[in-house]
Amino acid sequence: KQEVTQIPAALSVPEGENLVLNCSFTDSAIYNLQWFRQDPGKGLTSLLLIQSSQREQTSGRLNASLDKSSGRSTLYIAASQPGDSATYLCAVVGTSGTYKYIFGTGTRLKVLA
Amino acid sequence: DAGVTQSPTHLIKTRGQHVTLRCSPISGHKSVSWYQQVLGQGPQFIFQYYEKEERGRGNFPDRFSARQFPNYSSELNVNALLLGDSALYLCASSLMDAANYGYTFGSGTRLTVV
Repeated sequence: KQEVTQIPAALSVPEGENLVLNCSFTDSAIYNLQWFRQDPGKGLTSLLLIQSSQREQTSGRLNASLDKSSGRSTLYIAASQPGDSATYLCAVVGTSGTYKYIFGTGTRLKVLA
Repeated sequence: DAGVTQSPTHLIKTRGQHVTLRCSPISGHKSVSWYQQVLGQGPQFIFQYYEKEERGRGNFPDRFSARQFPNYSSELNVNALLLGDSALYLCASSLMDAANYGYTFGSGTRLTVV
């Protein structure tokens, strides 16, 4: 059974810092991994989608890497801003059965001005 | 282009009642999935529909049901509501299967059961 873990659960950093959020999954048989952002009480905003054959994806100040064999992904945020404050969720789609996402519980990020 | 649209945005129901939540996918998307997110947790998979057929069901009781219409919109129905059904219900759509395209999520319906 696939399990997704995100560390740390919460993080508070001063503005301008570079930071790394971690995601690990127990079953390496995945189609893709997606990072999402969620503001309080809101839906999910897709940040980056990494296919299983890819090693990383970049969008602006965000870079996500994937090491499928070790079951790990990292989301790197450069030069953090107060507007980056949100919960960040990673999710994987397994290769067996339904194309459903298995989510981690998220990392709650607060960037202090 | 309109994103994934969910209605209503907020809903308050009494225990034992029935509720219907609605979702309109992005134009051209044929796959719709439903997720339940309890406060402080990641979303949990409830259903997936593709081309109007159920393609998967999560570990939820039979009180939960769904369907997809010919225009690819979808409804999630929950009968005999319990306090524990209070959650944010998220709908997600994908062009075909999520392996190549990923999912786009709506803003959700916040259901409160009292």
